[in-house]
Amino acid sequence: GNSVTQMEGPVTLSEEAFLTINCTYTATGYPSLFWYVQYPGEGLQLLLKATKADDKGSNKGFEATYRKETTSFHLEKGSVQVSDSAVYFCALVSGNTPLVFGKGTRLSVIA
Amino acid sequence: DTAVSQTPKYLVTQMGNDKSIKCEQNLGHDTMYWYKQDSKKFLKIMFSYNNKELIINETVPNRFSPKSPDKAHLNLHINSLELGDSAVYFCASSQDTGSYEQYFGPGTRLTVT
Repeated sequence: GNSVTQMEGPVTLSEEAFLTINCTYTATGYPSLFWYVQYPGEGLQLLLKATKADDKGSNKGFEATYRKETTSFHLEKGSVQVSDSAVYFCALVSGNTPLVFGKGTRLSVIA
Repeated sequence: DTAVSQTPKYLVTQMGNDKSIKCEQNLGHDTMYWYKQDSKKFLKIMFSYNNKELIINETVPNRFSPKSPDKAHLNLHINSLELGDSAVYFCASSQDTGSYEQYFGPGTRLTVT
């Protein structure tokens, strides 16, 4: 079946540090990959997506590249801000299956 | 102009009670979902409805019964609440079953004492 594995958190960084949150996946067929973000007290929001191999999704300074050879979709940001503190979920969908989420990685950015 | 709304936001109740959570979306979407998020933030799909019809029913106790009176609403009724039901429940919607972008509500924090 389809599954997503994310690095365990929490991740604590100082403002302006470089962020990487690792995500690898197992899927049948050709999945589309996503990062969702959940800010404190809110529901999830789509952050970025990539629908085929070598695509790069980007939004709000975050990037992730769909790597089929390593089955990965790592999230990166060059310089994090306090406002980026949230829980980040990697997810995939393949065919008509529902979204499958990873367990989430909590990011705390301190000033 | 909330896209996906849920009520109530917080729900505290005792074991054995029956409660409902309501969800409404004003996006014109055909597909709606219920997710459960546990204390470790793990998110698991419970149900999915497309145009008022149940299409996904994951392994969820039959104490949980979704109801979709129309495609803009998907309510969740829970009978005989147990301590383990304490969690945050999220409603979400998408354009259709083939759409990958889901829009989430703000969540309902259920606490069973």
